[in-house]
Amino acid sequence: RKEVEQDPGPFNVPEGATVAFNCTYSNSASQSFFWYRQDCRKEPKLLMSVYSSGNEDGRFTAQLNRASQYISLLIRDSKLSDSATYLCVVNDSGGYNKLIFGAGTRLAVHP
Amino acid sequence: SQTIHQWPATLVQPVGSPLSLECTVEGTSNPNLYWYRQAAGRGLQLLFYSVGIGQISSEVPQNLSASRPQDRQFILSSKKLLLSDSGFYLCAWSSDLTEAFFGQGTRLTVV
Repeated sequence: RKEVEQDPGPFNVPEGATVAFNCTYSNSASQSFFWYRQDCRKEPKLLMSVYSSGNEDGRFTAQLNRASQYISLLIRDSKLSDSATYLCVVNDSGGYNKLIFGAGTRLAVHP
Repeated sequence: SQTIHQWPATLVQPVGSPLSLECTVEGTSNPNLYWYRQAAGRGLQLLFYSVGIGQISSEVPQNLSASRPQDRQFILSSKKLLLSDSGFYLCAWSSDLTEAFFGQGTRLTVV
């Protein structure tokens, strides 16, 4: 089983749609979780951290389910500019902050 | 504020030639440092990470090596490049249990 698994997509959605991505992780001892966004041929950039209580940043909502070992990202009112690959990131706790990336979920928002 | 510099941005090298990619971080001390590789259309693969000077952990057997001669300097090297070494190489830093920040990446093509 991969350490971090994501549906590769692509998710093709119209502008204004709500879309949700899930990500599962294998290490129950992981302590930190993040969503990154990566545009084509660019470096990944932090979208948001994921907190145990869930957190929201504008149109983006992240949730953590420790019991089922998954995190989710919800995007409301999709914009064309949201088109990108979304990477799920989990730290592999072991006394150090080794960050493991999922392969990413591709989102394409169309007019 | 912290910044991370990675160079060169693009590189075309013949098979069998050596490689040296350099990454430096400014504005922080004792960062965790990472080298990732991303093949075309794929996710990020962790190659090396370092929690301190001279401390390098290798994640996958490969044709590459890494060194950390100074606290904020991380170097990726190869003595003889293979075609399969082509990819997008990303350096990143983090503090303990925080998100990672990426350099702009080096797109390496081995011909």
